[in-house]
Amino acid sequence: GDSVTQMEGPVTLSEEAFLTINCTYTATGYPSLFWYVQYPGEGLQLLLKATKADDKGSNKGFEATYRKETTSFHLEKGSVQVSDSAVYFCALTPSGGSYIPTFGRGTSLIVHP
Amino acid sequence: GAGVSQSPSNKVTEKGKDVELRCDPISGHTALYWYRQSLGQGLEFLIYFQGNSAPDKSGLPSDRFSAERTGGSVSTLTIQRTQQEDSAVYLCASSLARTSGARQETQYFGPGTRLLVL
Repeated sequence: GDSVTQMEGPVTLSEEAFLTINCTYTATGYPSLFWYVQYPGEGLQLLLKATKADDKGSNKGFEATYRKETTSFHLEKGSVQVSDSAVYFCALTPSGGSYIPTFGRGTSLIVHP
Repeated sequence: GAGVSQSPSNKVTEKGKDVELRCDPISGHTALYWYRQSLGQGLEFLIYFQGNSAPDKSGLPSDRFSAERTGGSVSTLTIQRTQQEDSAVYLCASSLARTSGARQETQYFGPGTRLLVL
């Protein structure tokens, strides 16, 4: 079945550091790929998405590129802020058949001033 | 506009009791999902409703779990004879799932119900 693998956290960075959170997936065809963010005490919210190969999703300074050849969708940000501290989830929805999304386990990001 | 709401926000119950968790999706959203989020784990899919179609119950962990969606809107997740391993955060999400491009749709999540079974 489909699966999503994220790097384990917590990831701890100083403010203004460069961020990468790795995400790789296993799925047939061309799934749609998502990054969701969960701030403390809140539900998940969409951060960005990409629906076809080589697409780049971007939002709030975060970016991720859909790489079919490496089945990856790594999340990056050039300069993190304390307010970016949250849990980040990579997810996919399959390209055929089921509408059920698959989520990664989440990666906690802690940004220190 | 109003987002997805869930109630109660917290629920403490005794082992063996039944609990009901409620989800109010965004108005007009035809797709509704329930997930379970355990400490340190990702989201575990439980059940999916789409319009008037029969729900996809493939993620329900046991027959103690059931869910219904009345009038294509509000949904209730029921856990009978709760066990300690049911303790988790239960998340509800809805999306505007159109026939075309449904898999590209964003899910909108509620804040969750934190369930503790003593």
